[in-house]
Amino acid sequence: DTAVSQTPKYLVTQMGNDKSIKCEQNLGHDTMYWYKQDSKKFLKIMFSYNNKELIINETVPNRFSPKSPDKAHLNLHINSLELGDSAVYFCASSKNVVGQGTGELFFGEGSRLTVL
Amino acid sequence: GQNIDQPTEMTATEGAIVQINCTYQTSGFNGLFWYQQHAGEAPTFLSYNVLDGLEEKGRFSSFLSRSKGYSYLLLKELQMKDSASYLCAVKDSNYQLIWGAGTKLIIKP
Repeated sequence: DTAVSQTPKYLVTQMGNDKSIKCEQNLGHDTMYWYKQDSKKFLKIMFSYNNKELIINETVPNRFSPKSPDKAHLNLHINSLELGDSAVYFCASSKNVVGQGTGELFFGEGSRLTVL
Repeated sequence: GQNIDQPTEMTATEGAIVQINCTYQTSGFNGLFWYQQHAGEAPTFLSYNVLDGLEEKGRFSSFLSRSKGYSYLLLKELQMKDSASYLCAVKDSNYQLIWGAGTKLIIKP
């Protein structure tokens, strides 16, 4: 039973298109995240939601819009895709909000986005 | 700025021991994580250190020295399946995770 699942796993699209990535966790966690992992393998936080409320919103182009319909789901919509958006996007969840407990993260398998 | 340094790549032999170092300069410190990431897969949690000293968990141990801004991950009795990237991440004063680029560990028979 997959704990954090995200779809699609692979996404190939043209510049200028709009795409969405969906994420769901069945761990009962309160906090969910979107990370971007670029070609140099750095993981960069993009957004974090706690109980459907946005708590972290890093410096990310406003073409990226997260949406959390409930605490088990966090989707990412990207408008007007650019070449530099090509990366692997990881969804993650943690039991506690940042600052509480260890904050161990559980990651989804990643969505590899390629913009042509 | 905030910085996490790890070696880019290391090679070790099956059955041996390897130590992966991580040094950090961050605005504050609220804990250090090690994650393992196999190629094409998600990172998975290995260890968490918030106090100085050694935390042992089976074949893996993690050490922290806050005064030196230094941690290492020690892997014993290496197995081929340990070939992966090992990511060091530090929680700063705002409880934000700052990630290193990871160390790619190659295990040879």
